[in-house]
Amino acid sequence: GQQLNQSPQSMFIQEGEDVSMNCTSSSIFNTWLWYKQDPGEGPVLLIALYKAGELTSNGRLTAQFGITRKDSFLNISASIPSDVGIYFCAGRSGTYKYIFGTGTRLKVLA
Amino acid sequence: GAVVSQHPSRVICKSGTSVKIECRSLDFQATTMFWYRQFPKQSLMLMATSNEGSKATYEQGVEKDKFLINHASLTLSTLTVTSAHPEDSSFYICSALDRGRTEAFFGQGTRLTVV
Repeated sequence: GQQLNQSPQSMFIQEGEDVSMNCTSSSIFNTWLWYKQDPGEGPVLLIALYKAGELTSNGRLTAQFGITRKDSFLNISASIPSDVGIYFCAGRSGTYKYIFGTGTRLKVLA
Repeated sequence: GAVVSQHPSRVICKSGTSVKIECRSLDFQATTMFWYRQFPKQSLMLMATSNEGSKATYEQGVEKDKFLINHASLTLSTLTVTSAHPEDSSFYICSALDRGRTEAFFGQGTRLTVV
């Protein structure tokens, strides 16, 4: 099935550092979502973006809907150990079907 | 927030038997539900989209006769894995779309192991 390209694939960072990840698509989306998944659990919604250029924050998390509508970015500031997990982007076009990114596996070193 | 409950969370079954997984939206009406499959260390792959009261739409490569989906009410969708085989072992996750909203909310997932 179709997937979005997400990078980096994985990253190890020190506690307190900022984290950036992005998601790119060859097609245009009208909604971008960012999820976090812990091992053995379903994804949990972090941030939803609806308009090109939109910048939305949720605590230490900030996400942006790219101007071209083909990409989105997620930043995590001052990372803490509980930020560890897999982060997925998801895009939606005209239908209600969501396409997921390949995931970014984040590990935080205390 | 919207709550989606998936049951069971884990199931082990013998090869050749069928397994039913339930997905319920607890505090909202879900006109559309999605079923995903996730292999270890991989992303979620959409299997099918189900709309209440109509037949599910399956993604290319997904056998509709093997993965039976029923969405009989606005709060319940079921996925039945028929004649399960070891290669069907995976993490199955449902998500539900709240009527009037555009974010999808996920169940906690079901880990299926076929022995």
